[in-house]
Amino acid sequence: GNSVTQMEGPVTLSEEAFLTINCTYTATGYPSLFWYVQYPGEGLQLLLKATKADDKGSNKGFEATYRKETTSFHLEKGSVQVSDSAVYFCALSDPGANSKLTFGKGITLSVRP
Amino acid sequence: DGGITQSPKYLFRKEGQNVTLSCEQNLNHDAMYWYRQDPGQGLRLIYYSQIVNDFQKGDIAEGYSVSREKKESFPLTVTSAQKNPTAFYLCASSMGREHQPQHFGDGTRLSIL
Repeated sequence: GNSVTQMEGPVTLSEEAFLTINCTYTATGYPSLFWYVQYPGEGLQLLLKATKADDKGSNKGFEATYRKETTSFHLEKGSVQVSDSAVYFCALSDPGANSKLTFGKGITLSVRP
Repeated sequence: DGGITQSPKYLFRKEGQNVTLSCEQNLNHDAMYWYRQDPGQGLRLIYYSQIVNDFQKGDIAEGYSVSREKKESFPLTVTSAQKNPTAFYLCASSMGREHQPQHFGDGTRLSIL
């Protein structure tokens, strides 16, 4: 079956530090990959996506590249801000699964001023 | 503005009571989903619906029921059979086709009195 594995958290960084959040996946087909962000007390917001190998998704300074050879979709940002403090979820959508998403467990990021 | 509206934001249930969580979308999406979120466990799929008058069980459907009488609405009932209903419930919708992301509401937090 499909699965998504995220690195263990929480992660605490100082403002302007470099961010990497690891995500690897297992899927039976050729999935689409997503990063979602959840701010306290809110629902999930789509941050970025990639639909095929070597695609790079980007938004708000965040980037992630779909690496089929390593089955990974790591999230990066060059300089984090306090406002980036949130929970981040990696997810995949297997085309054969009727648009259902499989989520990782999420990781909490805290950014200190 | 198009979006997904969940209500109420906070809900309290007495032992033995059924409660219904509302989810409405005006995105003209075909597919709708209900997730349960517990601390440290990510999102778990309760039920989903690809079209009106049809729905399927997710990974943790026991103790829950849904209906899909209209395209815009997908209410979730938490029955008295659900022994541990305290959680954050998220509703989502999508176009229902491959590579399409899901869009989320702001959630309902259910607590037991």
